[in-house]
Amino acid sequence: GENVEQHPSTLSVQEGDSAVIKCTYSDSASNYFPWYKQELGKGPQLIIDIRSNVGEKKDQRIAVTLNKTAKHFSLHITETQPEDSAVYFCAASIRSSDYKLTFGKGTLLTVNP
Amino acid sequence: EAEVAQSPRYKITEKSQAVAFWCDPISGHATLYWYRQILGQGPELLVQFQDESVVDDSQLPKDRFSAERLKGVDSTLKIQPAELGDSAMYLCASSFFGSDEQYFGPGTRLTVT
Repeated sequence: GENVEQHPSTLSVQEGDSAVIKCTYSDSASNYFPWYKQELGKGPQLIIDIRSNVGEKKDQRIAVTLNKTAKHFSLHITETQPEDSAVYFCAASIRSSDYKLTFGKGTLLTVNP
Repeated sequence: EAEVAQSPRYKITEKSQAVAFWCDPISGHATLYWYRQILGQGPELLVQFQDESVVDDSQLPKDRFSAERLKGVDSTLKIQPAELGDSAMYLCASSFFGSDEQYFGPGTRLTVT
């Protein structure tokens, strides 16, 4: 089955700096790659996603890039703010397998004021 | 904004007791998922419903876990008997039929003592 590796496990940045989180996946048939933000005691919130027919997608301060050849995708957050502090999860799914999501282990992002 | 509802938010139970969690998906979402999230890890799929039918329950420990979605709307996940290792966050997610975008509820934090 699909395996998703996520790095780093923790990331600390100063407010205003950029943050990058990277994920790799094992199944070349994966075609949907969402990113979730999870705050303490809450459920994961979908913040951005990308499909395999697109190389990059941007939404205000966040962007996601996908390299299908290398089987990796990344989340980029610019101009970080303290409210960006949370655990971020990447995931991958294959449409033909009923959209089942396989998650990475998460990255704890801390933005220091 | 429509949200996935879950209750209770927190549950403490003794081992060998029965426990049940409830989920109400976003209106119109035909697909419903139950995930288990152990502290420090990403969510792992337990069971997936399409309307009232189970699509995938291959990761559901069927000797003690059961799930139902009798009318194809809300769903209940039950554990009987609970074990210490069942302590985790239980998350419900939903999506439109044929969509890969999953939206999560706030979760139920289970502690088994």
